[in-house]
Amino acid sequence: EVQLAESGGGLVEPGTSLRLSCVGSGFMFDEYAMHWVRQVPGKGPEWLAGISWNSGGIFYADSVKGRFTISRDNVKKSLYLEMSSLTPEDAALYYCAKDRGDRGWFFWYFDVWGRGTAVTVSS
Amino acid sequence: EIVLTQSPGIVSLSPGERATLSCRASQTVTSRYLAWYQQKPGQAPRLLIYSASARATGIPDRFSGGGSGTDFTLTITSLEPEDFAVYFCQEYGTSRTFGHGTRVEMK
Repeated sequence: EVQLAESGGGLVEPGTSLRLSCVGSGFMFDEYAMHWVRQVPGKGPEWLAGISWNSGGIFYADSVKGRFTISRDNVKKSLYLEMSSLTPEDAALYYCAKDRGDRGWFFWYFDVWGRGTAVTVSS
Repeated sequence: EIVLTQSPGIVSLSPGERATLSCRASQTVTSRYLAWYQQKPGQAPRLLIYSASARATGIPDRFSGGGSGTDFTLTITSLEPEDFAVYFCQEYGTSRTFGHGTRVEMK
């Protein structure tokens, strides 16, 4: 079964950093671009960042550019999101998502999602 | 950035009825790069439709997508109990933005 499992969320203070992780299973992790998407309860999802199969292509939403860093380790079948300078506006459920694209290309829509990890930013 | 406006915000229907959900873009969506997702409480979104009208793997044929330019629709021809959920559209040609969703609730 194709699965993604996020971890690393929690309660942090404003201005601090947090690193999220996502482990993939049931598919060839190193053949697909991967993404981070977040969602505030009751709102639509927000795409944050995407990384190509070989980390050669990395893209960010303007809202997180310069603060968040996406990376991956294909040996560990893992995706990461390093978040810094967190504000209360960053509080959300963070999902990792698999790109639908073939051969590592970005198709920019997502056919597998994890269950998410919650991030709360509060003093 | 392309802004997606979904309507109605909430629709109340009975099982067996037809649901027609709208997604309007603030600019033309390139090459019909529009997807639809279903989300149930406590679950991640599930891909239903991509390229405006192509069903994702395993999606029943009661779900269909249509439209072009700035106006797109998701139609569920006969609602099953498991279809009551929130539906989001996503533009992925330019902005990768999502709409705010339409909730399909049981009457």
